[in-house]
Amino acid sequence: ELKVEQNPLFLSMQEGKNYTIYCNYSTTSDRLYWYRQDPGKSLESLFVLLSNGAVKQEGRLMASLDTKARLSTLHITAAVHDLSATYFCAVDPGEATNKLIFGTGTLLAVQP
Amino acid sequence: NAGVTQTPKFRILKIGQSMTLQCTQDMNHNYMYWYRQDPGMGLKLIYYSVGAGITDKGEVPNGYNVSRSTTEDFPLRLELAAPSQTSVYFCASSPTRGYTFGSGTRLTVV
Repeated sequence: ELKVEQNPLFLSMQEGKNYTIYCNYSTTSDRLYWYRQDPGKSLESLFVLLSNGAVKQEGRLMASLDTKARLSTLHITAAVHDLSATYFCAVDPGEATNKLIFGTGTLLAVQP
Repeated sequence: NAGVTQTPKFRILKIGQSMTLQCTQDMNHNYMYWYRQDPGMGLKLIYYSVGAGITDKGEVPNGYNVSRSTTEDFPLRLELAAPSQTSVYFCASSPTRGYTFGSGTRLTVV
């Protein structure tokens, strides 16, 4: 059974600081997604990482994928309050059903 | 372009009642999914469909049923609601890779 673990589960950080969220998964996959969820809202797609070594950046967020280590990271640079949300990674195990297996999420709170 | 539409947005059910959560997409996507999200948790797959007439169970299917008579619609049926089904339910659709999510249905069973 594919397991997807994120850490930390909760992250409180100050504005201007840098931090990294980690997403580990237990089986082979070369396709990983990052989503953002604001309180009471749906999930918004942030990044799709399609191969080993893939790196995507959007504003203060940068995501990377290491398929050999079964690890993806979401790096936050110079955090601002607007980045406060819950971040999920989701792994595509490569089945024809196109199912995604989600991590438990990281609740990010950026303090002024 | 509506994307994925879920109704209702909120619902309170009494124990033992039944209801159907509606999900409609207008993007002609073959793949559709139902997930539930419990407080502070990730999403768990309930049921999915790879095309009209084809459905299958996900991780947590007990207490739910689905049907897929058309490409557009993928309703989720709750029979004999239980407090453990209190959750937020998300429907999603996909062409081949990547999901588009609906806005969710917040269900409380009392």
